[in-house]
Amino acid sequence: AQSVAQPEDQVNVAEGNPLTVKCTYSVSGNPYLFWYVQYPNRGLQFLLKYITGDNLVKGSYGFEAEFNKSQTSFHLKKPSALVSDSALYFCAVTRSSNTGKLIFGQGTTLQVKP
Amino acid sequence: SQTIHQWPATLVQPVGSPLSLECTVEGTSNPNLYWYRQAAGRGLQLLFYSVGIGQISSEVPQNLSASRPQDRQFILSSKKLLLSDSGFYLCAWSQGSGNTGELFFGEGSRLTVL
Repeated sequence: AQSVAQPEDQVNVAEGNPLTVKCTYSVSGNPYLFWYVQYPNRGLQFLLKYITGDNLVKGSYGFEAEFNKSQTSFHLKKPSALVSDSALYFCAVTRSSNTGKLIFGQGTTLQVKP
Repeated sequence: SQTIHQWPATLVQPVGSPLSLECTVEGTSNPNLYWYRQAAGRGLQLLFYSVGIGQISSEVPQNLSASRPQDRQFILSSKKLLLSDSGFYLCAWSQGSGNTGELFFGEGSRLTVL
């Protein structure tokens, strides 16, 4: 069965500092991995995805994520956090043979303080 | 460009009343369509998905049903709402062919059952 774990309910970081939001996954076969962001009372916005190729994936708003197959991780990173990055972040996974039926983690609230 | 619309944005309904949430997608044809529920502002649970008109797959047993009367229309319904049906409902679409898995979400419908 597929699963996604986001071990931190909340991450706090000061503006200008680097941020990392952690995600580990479990899936049989080749994973497709995604990050989404959700602002209060809004839908989810797609940030980036890993399908194949370069393990470092760059996405919207300066975010990037690194696929690590041996650690089954796909951590979200940004070199310099902005207050406006404060939101709820979701990691998601699906199998390459079962695209579209994403399994989401429980979400991590990112709080960036000025 | 593709857009997705969901309505109503907010709904307060008494227990035992019917429900109809609608979702339409523009700018694409033959999309895959999904209904997710988000409880308590955290994880998302896939309720239904559809790969074509009249084709509905249910992921979890529940008090709700879904229908797809037209290619780009997806409806979530209930004949009699329960308190436990309260939540934030999100419609999403993905490419039907050449699908690499990413979903695109609507703005959500917040349902409160009293």
